[in-house]
Amino acid sequence: QSVLTQPPSVSGAPGQSISISCTGSSSNIGASYDVHWYKQLPGTAPKLLIYANANRPSGVPDRFSGSKSGTSASLAITGLQAEDEADYYCQSYDSSLSVHVVFGGGTKLTVL
Amino acid sequence: DVQLVESGGGLVQPGGSLRLSCAASGFSVSSKYMSWVRQAPGKGLEWVSVIYSGGNTNYADSVKGRVTISRDISKNTLYFQMNSLRAEDTAVYYCVRLVYYYYYVDVWGKGTTVTVSS
Repeated sequence: QSVLTQPPSVSGAPGQSISISCTGSSSNIGASYDVHWYKQLPGTAPKLLIYANANRPSGVPDRFSGSKSGTSASLAITGLQAEDEADYYCQSYDSSLSVHVVFGGGTKLTVL
Repeated sequence: DVQLVESGGGLVQPGGSLRLSCAASGFSVSSKYMSWVRQAPGKGLEWVSVIYSGGNTNYADSVKGRVTISRDISKNTLYFQMNSLRAEDTAVYYCVRLVYYYYYVDVWGKGTTVTVSS
């Protein structure tokens, strides 16, 4: 059970929009620590998608956006494409953990 | 070009030891926060250890007392010494570079696989 809670799966048809939630607590997201998002394709290392809540690294399409409010954060994807099918992870800092850094459990996005 | 290349994974018996290496290029491991992140087969990502630029270290409770993260500045290499290995340590181990202050990963290695089995 991860400190950051994500839905195990979400799905959407090509062209549609989806969002993935990441729910934390007062020792991580609620303590104003930033949330970051990664995309992982099977058999490969994760790739940074969103950093510091809402910022896109160079090369990430603007179809991907992030937001944060209270103890939760969300990743939104518009105009779903087949290549968006992947696992998505949120990540933040947690002051209560010995290693301080924590991932969400991950969400499998299926493009129907 | 900034790159991380892991090595040292393999098959080890329960109770055994293994040392993972991560050769960095394009930057100095001593100037960045560096970590090991693992992923068990079919599971999510787990942060296991971090070494800060000042040399301080932190470990996840799941590995504390059994592992040591270290670095060799002359070789620009990060290490992860794992002892008393258990079946639940079976995973792909990624060497990663963290961005200071924000604590997100901006560089990932391709990973090295550790399998603990008799």
